[in-house]
Amino acid sequence: LAKTTQPISMDSYEGQEVNITCSHNNIATNDYITWYQQFPSQGPRFIIQGYKTKVTNEVASLFIPADRKSSTLSLPRVSLSDTAVYYCLAPLYNQGGKLIFGQGTELSVKP
Amino acid sequence: EAGVAQSPRYKIIEKRQSVAFWCNPISGHATLYWYQQILGQGPKLLIQFQNNGVVDDSQLPKDRFSAERLKGVDSTLKIQPAKLEDSAVYLCASSLDTRSYEQYFGPGTRLTVT
Repeated sequence: LAKTTQPISMDSYEGQEVNITCSHNNIATNDYITWYQQFPSQGPRFIIQGYKTKVTNEVASLFIPADRKSSTLSLPRVSLSDTAVYYCLAPLYNQGGKLIFGQGTELSVKP
Repeated sequence: EAGVAQSPRYKIIEKRQSVAFWCNPISGHATLYWYQQILGQGPKLLIQFQNNGVVDDSQLPKDRFSAERLKGVDSTLKIQPAKLEDSAVYLCASSLDTRSYEQYFGPGTRLTVT
């Protein structure tokens, strides 16, 4: 399973775009990059996943360069309610969807 | 669509006592997971079921933890006897199958062992 590294914490202000970068140097050919969001006192919630280039949904965008050794989660125009911990994971395709959570990035959005 | 249900939401016990947690996954989800989340850390997978069979229990402390999913639907996780270091949030999650990276988590059970 690819080891992922991401910043422990980030601060932002309402209305700004937030980019959280995750490195996964030893990601395998079949690994997808998956991001989860966790609010206090709740279980994690799936946000987005991608394999290469760019993926966008109603919540976020995920940018993955050609070498796939890193990925960036982009949250457009954050609000106070985006304050949460964000986890980057690279589950191995043939490991049955097994998720290995790191410490995550604690995002704090201020007014 | 109903989400993953867990009970109880909170539990306080003394060390050496036993405790059980219950989880009802989303209807139709074949795969069920139990995670342990210690304060300040990411969730750690304890056990994964596919229907009523165990897929992965490599990180389950089998001397004190046990889990079952007898009918392939709901599941229970038991700790006997509990230790102080078992204080954590126990999260249950489910997914359509073992190939899905999109897992749906319940609200968790916060266990405090005194």
